[in-house]
Amino acid sequence: KAGVTQTPRYLIKTRGQQVTLSCSPISGHRSVSWYQQTPGQGLQFLFEYFSETQRNKGNFPGRFSGRQFSNSRSEMNVSTLELGDSALYLCASSFTQGTEAFFGQGTRLTVV
Amino acid sequence: DQQVKQNSPSLSVQEGRISILNCDYTNSMFDYFLWYKKYPAEGPTFLISISSIKDKNEDGRFTVFLNKSAKHLSLHIVPSQPGDSAVYFCAAKLSGSARQLTFGSGTQLTVLP
Repeated sequence: KAGVTQTPRYLIKTRGQQVTLSCSPISGHRSVSWYQQTPGQGLQFLFEYFSETQRNKGNFPGRFSGRQFSNSRSEMNVSTLELGDSALYLCASSFTQGTEAFFGQGTRLTVV
Repeated sequence: DQQVKQNSPSLSVQEGRISILNCDYTNSMFDYFLWYKKYPAEGPTFLISISSIKDKNEDGRFTVFLNKSAKHLSLHIVPSQPGDSAVYFCAAKLSGSARQLTFGSGTQLTVLP
């Protein structure tokens, strides 16, 4: 069974640009969550999608947004990039009734 | 305000001995706890979890203990192996919050051969 797939693995963007990251969950998983990992703040919850609806949102500015498609694939968008957005962005998928989250390898975003 | 704390940034253990990783939390509304292992350049890998209605859960070499009165949990790895060297994260879920996890800052475990 394939794991959670995130693309691209690495990305370099310029301040002020926008970026879209993609996540394909484990087959059969309908919940997708996004996390940001930075050296200073650790792993922080961004948002969760289930059945194409955002269920929970963390404490991040509106520049961070996401969506989920009918096949459960999810995208995360960050607009007007700032240097502080440089981080590892992790996607995790879960069973409908499960709490355990299974993570992808992440997308390393560098903003210059 | 850090609601999940891992106060030891690093831990070194001899191969074959027990590794004990600790985690403290402040929010009594957490009802489910998880441990993840993370290697560099990879995403976290789920290890073991425990519901707040239990005080112990075992899976092979890994055992998690929960002390609700002390708001403390620990992960025991016995016996420790060099391949266990990684960063270990403790995570907690709020009651009623389906899959939003709050993570600790992680503990780097090094198992020495």
